[in-house]
Formats: sequence, C-alpha cells, structure tokens
Amino acid sequence: AQKITQTQPGMFVQEKEAVTLDCTYDTSDQSYGLFWYKQPSSGEMIFLIYQGSYDEQNATEGRYSLNFQKARKSANLVISASQLGDSAMYFCAMREMEYGNKLVFGAGTILRVKS
Amino acid sequence: EPEVTQTPSHQVTQMGQEVILRCVPISNHLYFYWYRQILGQKVEFLVSFYNNEISEKSEIFDDQFSVERPDGSNFTLKIRSTKLEDSAMYFCASSESRDTNYGYTFGSGTRLTVV
Repeated sequence: AQKITQTQPGMFVQEKEAVTLDCTYDTSDQSYGLFWYKQPSSGEMIFLIYQGSYDEQNATEGRYSLNFQKARKSANLVISASQLGDSAMYFCAMREMEYGNKLVFGAGTILRVKS
Repeated sequence: EPEVTQTPSHQVTQMGQEVILRCVPISNHLYFYWYRQILGQKVEFLVSFYNNEISEKSEIFDDQFSVERPDGSNFTLKIRSTKLEDSAMYFCASSESRDTNYGYTFGSGTRLTVV
C-alpha cells in the first residue's frame, strides 16, 4: 500500500484565491510527522510546513496551513491568496518515528496559478 | 540562512563510469541524507548517515552506491559503473536532529545524466 497518496496530479487556481492540495497517508505508527515541500521548476526542494501526529492544533506558516484530520489520515495543504510564484510541484511527505528518520514522499501535485 | 550546497549542479557521464556527487551539509547538522528523483517521478530515499556510518538505507542503495564523509564538511555519494537508469536528480539533505520539526534542509540537487 502507498504510504503517501496525492490524488491530484495537477491543479489550477486563480490568482488571489485559496487552494487545497490533498494528501492522505497510511501508517500504523502512533508517532509520525507530516511535511509539505515545494519544488519550483528550478528543481530545489523547499520546506513549507510540518505537522506532528500529537499536535492538536493545525500547523500554519504564513499563507500555508495544514488541515490535519488524524482519524481520516489526511494532511491537506491549504494555500491562501495564491500568487503566481506559487506555481510549482508540491510534495507531501511522512516520517514514521519507528522506522528511522527517512522521509517517504507522495507522487506530488503540480499547481498552476492563473492570472 | 544556512544552506546545503551540492556540486556539481549538472553532471553528464558515460555509462559504466564512476561519479561522485558532493554535498556540504549545514555545519551544525548531524544527520545527512541522499534522495533521488527520476524525472517526473516521486522523490525516493536512498540512505541516511549519522556518526560516520550509514544508519539506514533503501533497497535502491545497493553495492553500486557508497557514501562517505571524507572530512568535517563534505558528504559524498559515489555511484560506480553508472547505468542509464541512474539518470536522475540527486538531492542531499541534512537535519540537526533525528526528530526535527523543521523538516530536512535540501540542497539544490545534482542532475545526473548517464549517456
């Protein structure tokens, strides 16, 4: 079974609108962390936001927020007030504490912001 | 802001040749990683390194690959007898601790093309 599933291969959003990128995960570990990374066309991996499995509040970092629904095993990224510079590939990733400290990535979602 | 530096940014090599990809992690980080991204596909974990030894490796990381920290600053990935399917973006990453909440800082990657 896939550890991280991102069901949206591509998304479009109008500039200044909000967009939600979906991520579901599969783990039997009680202690884990969820990450979102942005990969622009230049190729680098940029860390956006982190949510720990024991965190009761949803993580927020500026225009990024993580809609964490533990019972549903989902960790959707919400980008508010989209900007043209948000156009990129977005990866959801998980670290399971019992299985070392490697990150397991989803397949990614390409986001295109339209002006 | 501290960053992970990777060199070269692009490398073209003949099939069967050996390549060494170089990384300078963030100076106070203790954990080092290599990930691979075949074009258009997900990011895959290769190996993690701590205290001068491999702490974890994936099934991709077979005898063709090796890692080394030859001095106090560099972290290298050696790929022996390269194959066409080794063509990918290779990312180095580092983290301060095992249980970081701030993700892993990735380098900008080395695009390896095997011809």
